[in-house]
Amino acid sequence: ETGVTQSPTHLIKTRGQQVTLRCSSQSGHNTVSWYQQALGQGPQFIFQYYREEENGRGNFPPRFSGLQFPNYSSELNVNALELDDSALYLCASSLASLRDTQYFGPGTRLTVL
Amino acid sequence: KQEVTQIPAALSVPEGENLVLNCSFTDSAIYNLQWFRQDPGKGLTSLLLIQSSQREQTSGRLNASLDKSSGRSTLYIAASQPGDSATYLCAVRRSGGSYIPTFGRGTSLIVHP
Repeated sequence: ETGVTQSPTHLIKTRGQQVTLRCSSQSGHNTVSWYQQALGQGPQFIFQYYREEENGRGNFPPRFSGLQFPNYSSELNVNALELDDSALYLCASSLASLRDTQYFGPGTRLTVL
Repeated sequence: KQEVTQIPAALSVPEGENLVLNCSFTDSAIYNLQWFRQDPGKGLTSLLLIQSSQREQTSGRLNASLDKSSGRSTLYIAASQPGDSATYLCAVRRSGGSYIPTFGRGTSLIVHP
């Protein structure tokens, strides 16, 4: 059974740029959630995808968007990067919904200069 | 809006001590509560999950309790070891709809030899 993987590990961008982060779900999981964790804070829920459809969203602006693919891998896209977007971005997969136990990936550290 | 508070924010103890980490939440209408461990710059590892109908869960040296009516959970770590050094996060899932988890900021634990 493979775990949740994320790429890249680290990323440096400048303000105004766009970024794409990637996540591969744990085998057999069809639900993926994305979280933003600023330094010293707990993770904040961005959104969840279930069977390629967005199925729940936190308090994040539309420039945060996502995709889920038929193989249940996922992307998080952030447009018009701002300095406050600097954070650890975590994805988590679960069997069918947010009610189920989530398994987290190692995260992508994004730095916006 | 659910708010989750963890006390203390940081803790440093000698090896072998028993310790208690606290988590409080403002809305008692929860589906479950989960404790996670996070090593520096890494993803989250689930430690214990307590459903709203349960009072406690145990795994090895860890014991988590839940008092839904008072909005509190504790994580008890017995005979602490240097390998327990990490940040411990609690997350509460709201019942009756979205099941979006709300995380606390965590307790940073250092166990020194």
